[in-house]
Amino acid sequence: ILNVEQSPQSLHVQEGDSTNFTCSFPSSNFYALHWYRWETAKSPEALFVMTLNGDEKKKGRISATLNTKEGYSYLYIKGSQPEDSATYLCAYNFNKFYFGSGTKLNVKP
Amino acid sequence: EPEVTQTPSHQVTQMGQEVILRCVPISNHLYFYWYRQILGQKVEFLVSFYNNEISEKSEIFDDQFSVERPDGSNFTLKIRSTKLEDSAMYFCARGVGTGNQETQYFGPGTRLLVL
Repeated sequence: ILNVEQSPQSLHVQEGDSTNFTCSFPSSNFYALHWYRWETAKSPEALFVMTLNGDEKKKGRISATLNTKEGYSYLYIKGSQPEDSATYLCAYNFNKFYFGSGTKLNVKP
Repeated sequence: EPEVTQTPSHQVTQMGQEVILRCVPISNHLYFYWYRQILGQKVEFLVSFYNNEISEKSEIFDDQFSVERPDGSNFTLKIRSTKLEDSAMYFCARGVGTGNQETQYFGPGTRLLVL
């Protein structure tokens, strides 16, 4: 079983703060790394698919970077808004999808 | 956004009973996945299904689980004899794209409670 770790487990920030969190995964034989946004009572929503070392992807105020050599990806949110409150999941795709535990973000107005 | 729907949204069953969870794609797709999340734990891969055959399955997916596409559209996960530890949220996802560019789109899930 591959181990995918996310940190921190939870994060409380004020509206307007920028924040980032980490997903770490095995650095050998990399295939793909996925980020999802998961709001309470909804299904996980695909944010990014990262495939190449050095990839940087952006969607509005959210961006992600990938370092396959050291086995980590960062997700950044610039100027957090209350609607960004959700759990952010990463999943390492290596034949199957191996999920992290998620980072639960709470943005206070 | 491509979507799948799942039925039922909630199911309560007695230990030992069979349950069938359904995944209904909006349009015709080839790649499907089942995941589960036991409360407080990570989302776990169960099985992937491509072109009406199982392509990968996890250690969790033992003989009490089965998947099929009985009518060419709905995609079902059957648990033959439920155990208490099968209580979880079950998600169906469909894959879009190929190779390492594949993105998965999740359904809303079925919450299963085994008593």
